[in-house]
Amino acid sequence: DTAVSQTPKYLVTQMGNDKSIKCEQNLGHDTMYWYKQDSKKFLKIMFSYNNKELIINETVPNRFSPKSPDKAHLNLHINSLELGDSAVYFCASSQGDYLAEQYFGPGTRLTVT
Amino acid sequence: DQQVKQNSPSLSVQEGRISILNCDYTNSMFDYFLWYKKYPAEGPTFLISISSIKDKNEDGRFTVFLNKSAKHLSLHIVPSQPGDSAVYFCAAREGGSYIPTFGRGTSLIVHP
Repeated sequence: DTAVSQTPKYLVTQMGNDKSIKCEQNLGHDTMYWYKQDSKKFLKIMFSYNNKELIINETVPNRFSPKSPDKAHLNLHINSLELGDSAVYFCASSQGDYLAEQYFGPGTRLTVT
Repeated sequence: DQQVKQNSPSLSVQEGRISILNCDYTNSMFDYFLWYKKYPAEGPTFLISISSIKDKNEDGRFTVFLNKSAKHLSLHIVPSQPGDSAVYFCAAREGGSYIPTFGRGTSLIVHP
């Protein structure tokens, strides 16, 4: 009965490869997010989708492309991976209310070698 | 440009005592504040929040205090338990925004 799940949990890959991280939520929420936690431990928003539509796209290289096939899924595809992409990526969801808290997935640790 | 600052990277407390985690912010447009707790290899989980119209919110052993004039909030855990050992993130939102700005986190260790 996992609320927000991500796959894979760990991802090790070489520079230049293309990879995807999948996220699913079973909470019935209408808004989903991708965050990046870098080596300095800051959690930074990358993208936000509301009802399958992109509503926030922070300054992220266009090698990163989110895709939301339906309200319960938000996948992150990364092209031409670089060393600096190594980080923990968290998916989250919330119900579209300003006071609603976000529910986070367990994270995907991406290591680019 | 850190708009949300948690200046103590770590805090060590004895079981049964009070834990006080501090957070400062610079953006005067922030009007909603949240604390998240994170265990290793897990995602952050929501703990408690406070609106800028209040100066205190309490939920069991957890109390958040907000001092708007000082742009400072704190999380008090009383009494602290070993299971509280985790990283605590402070987060803040501007009015009307779904997206919180997170601090770097404070690692709390509660010793038995």
